[in-house]
Amino acid sequence: NAGVTQTPKFQVLKTGQSMTLQCAQDMNHNSMYWYRQDPGMGLRLIYYSASEGTTDKGEVPNGYNVSRLNKREFSLRLESAAPSQTSVYFCASSESGGTSGGLETQYFGPGTRLLVL
Amino acid sequence: KNEVEQSPQNLTAQEGEFITINCSYSVGISALHWLQQHPGGGIVSLFMLSSGKKKHGRLIATINIQEKHSSLHITASHPRDSAVYICAVRSRTGNQFYFGTGTSLTVIP
Repeated sequence: NAGVTQTPKFQVLKTGQSMTLQCAQDMNHNSMYWYRQDPGMGLRLIYYSASEGTTDKGEVPNGYNVSRLNKREFSLRLESAAPSQTSVYFCASSESGGTSGGLETQYFGPGTRLLVL
Repeated sequence: KNEVEQSPQNLTAQEGEFITINCSYSVGISALHWLQQHPGGGIVSLFMLSSGKKKHGRLIATINIQEKHSSLHITASHPRDSAVYICAVRSRTGNQFYFGTGTSLTVIP
């Protein structure tokens, strides 16, 4: 099993450009998450998908859109990138999500480093 | 104010020392996670707990729900333990996640 995979590993964008970060998991997990990690801020949840076909906003959703394409894949899109979106983006998945009251382990991908100039 | 506070922010220890990292939180939670982030950036989930104590090898995690406090202990620390340790909580309502800013641990041989 590859676990949680993310592409690309690194990306440089100009302000205003768009891009999609891809995430896939092969563990048959129901829930998937997108986080961003900034120095001094810790990890912050951008969007969350409890199951295929559903998405919910997290703490910092502005400027992002997500698509739960199927059970395996959860993509994060930046329609018009801004320098404030320079960050490291982590995708994660867990088995059952909200139905287990939080008592599940999240598995993280390797991260995508995004630089917006 | 951050809902999750960790201390210390940075910690340097000699190999073999006993290490404690603390986490305090201010919200009602359903679970608390301890994560480890290696210098390369990868994040690994170490523990998930909602009460009591868990042990895995040289790592021990405890939580006191009444005091809203958790500790991560590392016994007989080793240079390969050098990493950032992150405390995270999931709110009782289920959809809110809060993360500490991490404790950077360096273990010197």
